[in-house]
Amino acid sequence: QKEVEQDPGPLSVPEGAIVSLNCTYSNSAFQYFMWYRQYSRKGPELLMYTYSSGNKEDGRFTAQVDKSSKYISLFIRDSQPSDSATYLCAMSFNTDKLIFGTGTRLQVFP
Amino acid sequence: DGGITQSPKYLFRKEGQNVTLSCEQNLNHDAMYWYRQDPGQGLRLIYYSQIVNDFQKGDIAEGYSVSREKKESFPLTVTSAQKNPTAFYLCASGGNRGEEQPQHFGDGTRLSIL
Repeated sequence: QKEVEQDPGPLSVPEGAIVSLNCTYSNSAFQYFMWYRQYSRKGPELLMYTYSSGNKEDGRFTAQVDKSSKYISLFIRDSQPSDSATYLCAMSFNTDKLIFGTGTRLQVFP
Repeated sequence: DGGITQSPKYLFRKEGQNVTLSCEQNLNHDAMYWYRQDPGQGLRLIYYSQIVNDFQKGDIAEGYSVSREKKESFPLTVTSAQKNPTAFYLCASGGNRGEEQPQHFGDGTRLSIL
C-alpha cells in the first residue's frame, strides 16, 4: 500500500463546475498538507498549505484536511480552462521530507 | 524576482557519461532538495540538504551525487551508475525544519539518453 493514494484521472469538467480533488494517506503522523498545481513541462506551483486539520480558503480554492479519516481534499469553484493541469497532493511530518501523491490530471473544457 | 532557477531545461546524456544539473535559489532558504518525476509515480526524493556543507540521501540516491558549497546552489550529478536516468528532475527549496515553510520548485530539467 502506498503512503499517499491519489486518483490519476483524467477528470474532465465543463467550465464553471466545482471540482473536487482528493488524497488518502496511511500515516497518521503526517501534520503538514500541501496542494501543488503542475502545468505541462513546468515545475509544481504551491497552491495551498495547511498545518494539521481544518479548512483553508484562498480565492476559488479551498483545502480541507480530515485527519480522523486520513483524507484531504482540494475544491476549485467556478473552474476555468486555465485550471487545466495536474494537481499533486503532498504531506509530511515536518516540512522537509514530502511524500507526494501521483497527481490527478484535470481538464476544464469551455 | 525571487525564485529557483534550474538549468539546462533539456539535457542529453551519452552512455557512460556523468552530467550535472544546476539549481540556484535567491530565496535565502537554508534547505534544498532534488526530486525525480516519472510518469505515474509522482515525485521521489533523491537528495536533500538542510545546511551548507551537509546533505542526506533521499529514497532513490543510488547513481546520483550532490554538493552544497554555497547556500544558493545545490547541483546534482547524474553518474554513469544511474542506469535509468531518463526523467524530469525538479529542484526545490524551503521547508526548513521548525519554520513551517513549504517547499517551492524550479521549472525542472528533462534528461534523456542519446
